[in-house]
Amino acid sequence: EIVLTQSPASLSLSPGERATLSCRASQSVTTYLVWYQQIPGQPPRLLMYDAFNRATGIPARFSGSGSGTDFTLTISSLEPEDSAVYYCQQRSDWPFTFGGGTHVEIK
Amino acid sequence: EVQLVESGGGLVQPGRSLRLSCAATGLTLDDYAMHWVRQPPGKGLEWVSGISWNSARIGYADSVKGRFTISRDNVKNSLYLQMSSLRPEDTALYYCTKSPRGIAVAGSYFDFWGRGTLVTVSS
Repeated sequence: EIVLTQSPASLSLSPGERATLSCRASQSVTTYLVWYQQIPGQPPRLLMYDAFNRATGIPARFSGSGSGTDFTLTISSLEPEDSAVYYCQQRSDWPFTFGGGTHVEIK
Repeated sequence: EVQLVESGGGLVQPGRSLRLSCAATGLTLDDYAMHWVRQPPGKGLEWVSGISWNSARIGYADSVKGRFTISRDNVKNSLYLQMSSLRPEDTALYYCTKSPRGIAVAGSYFDFWGRGTLVTVSS
């Protein structure tokens, strides 16, 4: 099973600041890495697929990068509505696994 | 409007069974691989099971293998999860999710989620 480790566990930033979230895989997933956003009380929402492709309707301030074992989700200029938990998921191999999440708080 | 609506959750004693259902509206399920993903209260996400569009390929997480059975009825536009020998650690919000068109069940990600149905396993 591929283990995904997300860091940091949480971060607190002000509107307009840049957020950098990390996801590290225990073995290569090539670029089969996906990001979701979960706002409290809501189901997860697809943000990025295959490392750097934005899902439909996702604002351009969200971007993804990486390959192999190290991946980054960047929010270039935080908005209040970006307060959420962000999860990565690998689709390289069964069973699909998720990281433990990064909680982003907007001050 | 596309909707995935889960039902069937509730409070159940350890060792008992429960069947979850997911009804789709606004889309035809037989175009997509489908999955169940769960989330224990206050915790992260765990993939549970997935099924290809034609039920030819099915997969399970090790934690539920042999106890849970996924199935689908494309005529009824519905997905199911039969859960047996339930354990307290199965307590979670169970989400029905779909994969994008053309994405195989074995390489899935999840582009649309229902709101979930809560399963609580407790005596």
